[in-house]
Amino acid sequence: KAGVTQTPRYLIKTRGQQVTLSCSPISGHRSVSWYQQTPGQGLQFLFEYFSETQRNKGNFPGRFSGRQFSNSRSEMNVSTLELGDSALYLCASSFRQGEDGYTFGSGTRLTVV
Amino acid sequence: AQRVTQPEKLLSVFKGAPVELKCNYSYSGSPELFWYVQYSRQRLQLLLRHISRESIKGFTADLNKGETSFHLKKPFAQEEDSAMYYCALSGSPMEYGNKLVFGAGTILRVKS
Repeated sequence: KAGVTQTPRYLIKTRGQQVTLSCSPISGHRSVSWYQQTPGQGLQFLFEYFSETQRNKGNFPGRFSGRQFSNSRSEMNVSTLELGDSALYLCASSFRQGEDGYTFGSGTRLTVV
Repeated sequence: AQRVTQPEKLLSVFKGAPVELKCNYSYSGSPELFWYVQYSRQRLQLLLRHISRESIKGFTADLNKGETSFHLKKPFAQEEDSAMYYCALSGSPMEYGNKLVFGAGTILRVKS
């Protein structure tokens, strides 16, 4: 079966702009989580959606937001980009509560210049 | 609070030597613990989860609640084991929501 698909793979944006990243989970998975990966901070949880509802949010500013659609696809949006937002953004999907593990996508590499 | 500590940034061993990647956690309840692996230029992949008690690619990990540890072990390292390894914890969904807390990761280098 198809894995978790993230688009685009690479993005270059300018400070102050906004960006939208997309994630298509594994078919049948209803939970989608987003993580930010940087060399300095490692992997940090952004937020998690289940059945179109945000169930959990990490410690990130309000510029980071997301949503989930009825087909479980998810988007995350970052507004007013800062240089420090440059990172690999990973999406992970799971069936329910994640007890069967989370499957990660390849990520979107965002560079803010 | 939930916290995962991987004390070693880099572990370098020779092929055929035993491997132990350390992971300690801080969590007041009963955690779900996982090991994820990231090979060069590949996506993060689930290697092990404590609840299934399986052995994948020769790796095993035992949850020690007394020492709050979940170390990853393999008796004989192979060159293809070279990768970044992350230990991760998931707490009670009711209390902490559905999320993973990751350690900083350990790079395993297996030398020939």
